[in-house]
Amino acid sequence: AQKITQTQPGMFVQEKEAVTLDCTYDTSDPSYGLFWYKQPSSGEMIFLIYQGSYDQQNATEGRYSLNFQKARKSANLVISASQLGDSAMYFCAMREGYGQNFVFGPGTRLSVLP
Amino acid sequence: NAGVTQTPKFQVLKTGQSMTLQCAQDMNHEYMSWYRQDPGMGLRLIHYSVGAGITDQGEVPNGYNVSRSTTEDFPLRLLSAAPSQTSVYFCASRGTGGLYNEQFFGPGTRLTVL
Repeated sequence: AQKITQTQPGMFVQEKEAVTLDCTYDTSDPSYGLFWYKQPSSGEMIFLIYQGSYDQQNATEGRYSLNFQKARKSANLVISASQLGDSAMYFCAMREGYGQNFVFGPGTRLSVLP
Repeated sequence: NAGVTQTPKFQVLKTGQSMTLQCAQDMNHEYMSWYRQDPGMGLRLIHYSVGAGITDQGEVPNGYNVSRSTTEDFPLRLLSAAPSQTSVYFCASRGTGGLYNEQFFGPGTRLTVL
């Protein structure tokens, strides 16, 4: 069964506007972590933001915030004030428990338009 | 700190050839992993290690071997390359403790098997 679902293969957003990238997950483990990574065309994986299953508040890191809705098992990434440099692939990932078994979603390609 | 390094950056193999992808980290991280990235499928876990001498299989381990003799190094061996192993390979490491510890990724190795 797909553990991480990203239903938007591609998204467009106008520069300076906000955009939400969707991520839903499936787990029965009460302890888990959710991660978002950015992969620009150069290929490297860049960590953006983390949300723990026990965190009471939504995570924020600069222009990135994570809309965590635990009951709905969703962890959407919100990018505010989009910049041209935000054009990239974005991956949602989950780690169940405290181990090393990360599962990644298929990614969303974001294109920021001038 | 160099972080996570991978060699080579590019490699072309013929079917049946063997080779080793090298991965090293200088952050004294206990956890290390190998992923492959194929178009439209995100990253999939091949093998991982939770410390020197300890390895385990991920989602797609067939055709690959790993060993972890030191904390720093985690090589991935392809015993008999097949065209289906054409992919981009990423090595990653992270520290231990708690639900949160981001993974640090290497720059990737692009492998083509003819």
